[in-house]
Amino acid sequence: AQSVTQLGSHVSVSEGALVLLRCNYSSSVPPYLFWYVQYPNQGLQLLLKYTSAATLVKGINGFEAEFKKSETSFHLTKPSAHMSDAAEYFCAVSGGTGRRALTFGSGTRLQVQP
Amino acid sequence: IAGITQAPTSQILAAGRRMTLRCTQDMRHNAMYWYRQDLGLGLRLIHYSNTAGTTGKGEVPDGYSVSRANTDDFPLTLASAVPSQTSVYFCASSEEAGPYEQYFGPGTRLTVT
Repeated sequence: AQSVTQLGSHVSVSEGALVLLRCNYSSSVPPYLFWYVQYPNQGLQLLLKYTSAATLVKGINGFEAEFKKSETSFHLTKPSAHMSDAAEYFCAVSGGTGRRALTFGSGTRLQVQP
Repeated sequence: IAGITQAPTSQILAAGRRMTLRCTQDMRHNAMYWYRQDLGLGLRLIHYSNTAGTTGKGEVPDGYSVSRANTDDFPLTLASAVPSQTSVYFCASSEEAGPYEQYFGPGTRLTVT
């Protein structure tokens, strides 16, 4: 069975500060990993995905994530937060046997303070 | 149409009533999914369909049914709504081959009173 744990339901940073959102996964097979962003009253938008091609994955809006198999982690980072980054972020995993559907973490709400 | 559309955008429904949430995609994806989003729980899979004519149960299927008569449409039906089904519902689709990147609709906000 697959599972995803996102540490911290709320994260607050100052504008210009480093953003670090944590994600740990559990999977019995090599996973596909994703980060999605959800702005208020909108659907989910893909930020980036890990497909085993490279452990450091770059996404949209300056975000990146590093796959660390030994730590079963896929943390999301951005060097400098912008006010427009305020949103909810979801880590997700897929790729289990016969499983195309995503298993999501519970989400992390990012606040950016001026 | 571009991507996935869902209807209605929002709905208030009396308990015990029947309701169908509509989902249509124009990407010719074989796989489609229904998730519900609840605060603090992320998104949970209700039902899925890997191809037209087939469906499967997800993590929280009770009280919901789906059909997949063709590639484009994947309606979700609540036969007799209950207040615990108050949620935001998202439809998604993905390609047949990995990594199964999913594309999401804008969601339907359902309130059962």
